[in-house]
Amino acid sequence: GEDVEQSLFLSVREGDSSVINCTYTDSSSTYLYWYKQEPGAGLQLLTYIFSNMDMKQDQRLTVLLNKKDKHLSLRIADTQTGDSAIYFCAEANTGTASKLTFGTGTRLQVTL
Amino acid sequence: NAGVTQTPKFRILKIGQSMTLQCAQDMNHNYMYWYRQDPGMGLKLIYYSVGAGITDKGEVPNGYNVSRSTTEDFPLRLELAAPSQTSVYFCASSPTGRTEAFFGQGTRLTVV
Repeated sequence: GEDVEQSLFLSVREGDSSVINCTYTDSSSTYLYWYKQEPGAGLQLLTYIFSNMDMKQDQRLTVLLNKKDKHLSLRIADTQTGDSAIYFCAEANTGTASKLTFGTGTRLQVTL
Repeated sequence: NAGVTQTPKFRILKIGQSMTLQCAQDMNHNYMYWYRQDPGMGLKLIYYSVGAGITDKGEVPNGYNVSRSTTEDFPLRLELAAPSQTSVYFCASSPTGRTEAFFGQGTRLTVV
């Protein structure tokens, strides 16, 4: 079945860039997502990218997709303390009713 | 517009007890999902529904049941609670099943 992997923890200084990485196994993945979960809260969609795209930029967020290596990354520019959260990578493919397969999540810690 | 509402937020159950986790959405979404999140893990899909009257199993359905008699509501039933069902449960909905999924705040369930 599908598998999505992420590193568990990342620590960055405020103002630096953060890069969170994700690898997936399903070659038929059509949609790839980044969700943010703050403590005690549900998941909030940050951005998503279609598999026919290489890059998507949205303000401080840049998503890069390497379809050949099945590698997805999320770059957060000028990381702020409010960015501290768990970031989940997820994938879905066409025709599966968007049954998202989630990674384990990467906990981002932003230090002063 | 409340989005996705889950009740209760917290619950402690004894082994063998039953309960229903409630989920309601007011966005007229056809697709609804139940996920569980165990510590340090990603979300696992329990059940999903693509419309009223239609439900299907996800990755980890054992020990759970669902119904979808209306578009708005998607309750999750635990018949005989077990300690392995201690988790945080998230309900989500999606308009098309291919773009953003909107998540509730979660129900933290402890079975003792």
